[in-house]
Amino acid sequence: AQKITQTQPGMFVQEKEAVTLDCTYDTSDQSYGLFWYKQPSSGEMIFLIYQGSYDEQNATEGRYSLNFQKARKSANLVISASQLGDSAMYFCAMREGKLGTGNQFYFGTGTSLTVIP
Amino acid sequence: DTGVSQNPRHKITKRGQNVTFRCDPISEHNRLYWYRQTLGQGPEFLTYFQNEAQLEKSRLLSDRFSAERPKGSFSTLEIQRTEQGDSAMYLCASSLAALRSSVTQYFGPGTRLTVL
Repeated sequence: AQKITQTQPGMFVQEKEAVTLDCTYDTSDQSYGLFWYKQPSSGEMIFLIYQGSYDEQNATEGRYSLNFQKARKSANLVISASQLGDSAMYFCAMREGKLGTGNQFYFGTGTSLTVIP
Repeated sequence: DTGVSQNPRHKITKRGQNVTFRCDPISEHNRLYWYRQTLGQGPEFLTYFQNEAQLEKSRLLSDRFSAERPKGSFSTLEIQRTEQGDSAMYLCASSLAALRSSVTQYFGPGTRLTVL
């Protein structure tokens, strides 16, 4: 089974609108972390936001927020007020295991977001 | 620049040749990771180090691949007898192991390998 599933290969959003990128995950661990990364056409992976499995509140970082629904095992990324510079690939990732144990990360296949002016 | 750096940025080689890539992590980071990314896919974990110890290797990692981090700072990834299927972007990331941190990984720009 896939550890991380991103079902949207491509998404379009109008500039200044909000967009939600879907991510579901599969783990039997109680302690895990969920991440979103952005990869522009230049290729470099850029960290956006993190949610720990024990965090009770949804994570927010500026225009990025993570809609964490633990029972459904989903960790959707919401980008508000989209900008042209948000056009990129977006990857959801998961770290299994307890903090500090350094287990490997699993990445989804990504969602290509295009912001339309 | 205090980010993760990787060299070379591009490498073209002939099938059967050996190649070596270098990664310099963020200076205070004690964890270092290698990933491989092919076109249209997410990064695939290869291996990771905590300081100089290689703590985990992917089961998918062929014995033609070897990684080292001799002094717990920079790391090298060597691929022996390259095959065309090794063509990919090789990404390095580093993180700081801390019990109460997010253990976020910070990525380098990658080395793009093309095997002819």
